[in-house]
Amino acid sequence: DAGVIQSPRHEVTEMGQEVTLRCKPISGHNSLFWYRQTMMRGLELLIYFNNNVPIDDSGMPEDRFSAKMPNASFSTLKIQPSEPRDSAVYFCASSPGRPGQEYEQYFGPGTRLTVT
Amino acid sequence: GEDVEQSLFLSVREGDSSVINCTYTDSSSTYLYWYKQEPGAGLQLLTYIFSNMDMKQDQRLTVLLNKKDKHLSLRIADTQTGDSAIYFCAEIPSGGSYIPTFGRGTSLIVHP
Repeated sequence: DAGVIQSPRHEVTEMGQEVTLRCKPISGHNSLFWYRQTMMRGLELLIYFNNNVPIDDSGMPEDRFSAKMPNASFSTLKIQPSEPRDSAVYFCASSPGRPGQEYEQYFGPGTRLTVT
Repeated sequence: GEDVEQSLFLSVREGDSSVINCTYTDSSSTYLYWYKQEPGAGLQLLTYIFSNMDMKQDQRLTVLLNKKDKHLSLRIADTQTGDSAIYFCAEIPSGGSYIPTFGRGTSLIVHP
């Protein structure tokens, strides 16, 4: 099993540019989570999908952020336009959803975003 | 709402035991987790305990749960330099939500 795959691993962009982060969850997992990690705020949940449907997006900072999950094996997090305060490590995590394992989360390696 | 508190740092000598503590507020918590994050990597699920248990042991790891005080601890026996990482405590309340609340993480530093 390849685990959760995220791309790119590092992204450096200028303020105002569009940024798209990608995630491939573990095959067979039915829940997907996007998190943001910073020193100041720790680990923040941005959005949670279950069976490809957004269930809770209350953590999405503002309209500049959007997330999609067009199918069970792919999700994107888009920031448009990006700002320096968006600089963080963004993690994708997936969860099996099987009885007894529904709350376990498996994290990808993260995308380190730097907005200058 | 839920709140999970952890101390930020812990320093131990190689070979000693490490005890990382966590407190939570949600009295209906059903699942409590420990994750490990090594530098430059994502969080890795280490172990978990259900709220109807008091203790769980898995090789060098021992999880203790005090439901009355809402206190969770992770003990690492014979701590090695490879155990140096950030350890996160997380709770998921009962009631069907799949959304965990994470603590800020405890940085464990193991020195020779």
